[in-house]
Amino acid sequence: KAGVTQTPRYLIKTRGQQVTLSCSPISGHRSVSWYQQTPGQGLQFLFEYFSETQRNKGNFPGRFSGRQFSNSRSEMNVSTLELGDSALYLCASSWKTDSTGELFFGEGSRLTVL
Amino acid sequence: GIQVEQSPPDLILQEGANSTLRCNFSDSVNNLQWFHQNPWGQLINLFYIPSGTKQNGRLSATTVATERYSLLYISSSQTTDSGVYFCAVVANYGQNFVFGPGTRLSVLP
Repeated sequence: KAGVTQTPRYLIKTRGQQVTLSCSPISGHRSVSWYQQTPGQGLQFLFEYFSETQRNKGNFPGRFSGRQFSNSRSEMNVSTLELGDSALYLCASSWKTDSTGELFFGEGSRLTVL
Repeated sequence: GIQVEQSPPDLILQEGANSTLRCNFSDSVNNLQWFHQNPWGQLINLFYIPSGTKQNGRLSATTVATERYSLLYISSSQTTDSGVYFCAVVANYGQNFVFGPGTRLSVLP
């Protein structure tokens, strides 16, 4: 069974640009969550999608958005990039419909903003 | 929201030594996982352990939910155990995982 797949693995952008990251969950998993990891703030929850609906959202500005498709694949978008958006973005999937399920993470997308 | 603390923040061991990592949380939880972050950044699942005790090879974990803590034991450590270990919890009233700051483990040959 394939794990959680994230693309691209590495990318470099400049301030003001936008970026889209993709996540394919484990087959059969319908919940997809996104996390941002930075040296200063640690791992922080961005948002969670289930059955194409955003079910939960962390404390991030509106420049951070996401969506989920009918096949459970998810994308997140960051517009008007700032230097502080440089981070490792991690996607996780779960098979359970509530918050008691086990999370499985992908390898992450490492974004550098210059 | 729920607060998650991990101790110690850094740990240096000689290969073959044993260690105990601790995770304290401020409220009741319905979910708890331990992860190991490898050098490439991926979070590897170690244990899904909202309560009770589990063992997997040289690693074991115990969660005492009523006292709001979890312990991760690493025995006969190897250099490949090096990395950052994270505890993550979901509060009973919450919907998403909250991560602790991690414990950075360095195992020296």
